[in-house]
Amino acid sequence: AQSVAQPEDQVNVAEGNPLTVKCTYSVSGNPYLFWYVQYPNRGLQFLLKYITGDNLVKGSYGFEAEFNKSQTSFHLKKPSALVSDSALYFCAVRDSYAGNKLTFGGGTRVLVKP
Amino acid sequence: GAVVSQHPSRVICKSGTSVKIECRSLDFQATTMFWYRQFPKQSLMLMATSNEGSKATYEQGVEKDKFLINHASLTLSTLTVTSAHPEDSSFYICSGNGPGGSYEQYFGPGTRLTVT
Repeated sequence: AQSVAQPEDQVNVAEGNPLTVKCTYSVSGNPYLFWYVQYPNRGLQFLLKYITGDNLVKGSYGFEAEFNKSQTSFHLKKPSALVSDSALYFCAVRDSYAGNKLTFGGGTRVLVKP
Repeated sequence: GAVVSQHPSRVICKSGTSVKIECRSLDFQATTMFWYRQFPKQSLMLMATSNEGSKATYEQGVEKDKFLINHASLTLSTLTVTSAHPEDSSFYICSGNGPGGSYEQYFGPGTRLTVT
């Protein structure tokens, strides 16, 4: 079985400060990991993914994430947050042994204050 | 690229009626499409997986006779909520596997269903 945990319901950060959104996962096989962002009453927008290769992946809008196999984590980061980054962020995992279904974490609301 | 549309974006229907939601991949072919529902301030729950030309695979606890899914072409999947009840009110989101064998899913903008 595959699962994802996002331990923080909400993250508050001042504009210009670094932003980190945490994610840990559990899979049987190799993990395929994804981050998505959702704005109010909208679908999910793809930010970035880790499939294989470099542990540090860079994505859209200046976001990046680091795959850490020993800690089974895939935290999302942005060096300098913008007010427009305020949204709901979802981490998702797909188990290489389990077809193409995604399992989502509970989501983390990010609030960037000016 | 990899744009998914949904129609309608919002729908209000009376209890007992049926509602059809369309999901289209606009610039790629999606051999597999997924339907999710999302309750307020909660995560996405997968309802079913549909492959073009075959029957959908429903997740445990999802009534297949209530949530009818059709994936007639590589660019269109439909979800019909039959005999809708107020508890079916939710945000329904579809997605398709990205083009060219990409691993990520691309999501539609969602459909807000309200059953009165």
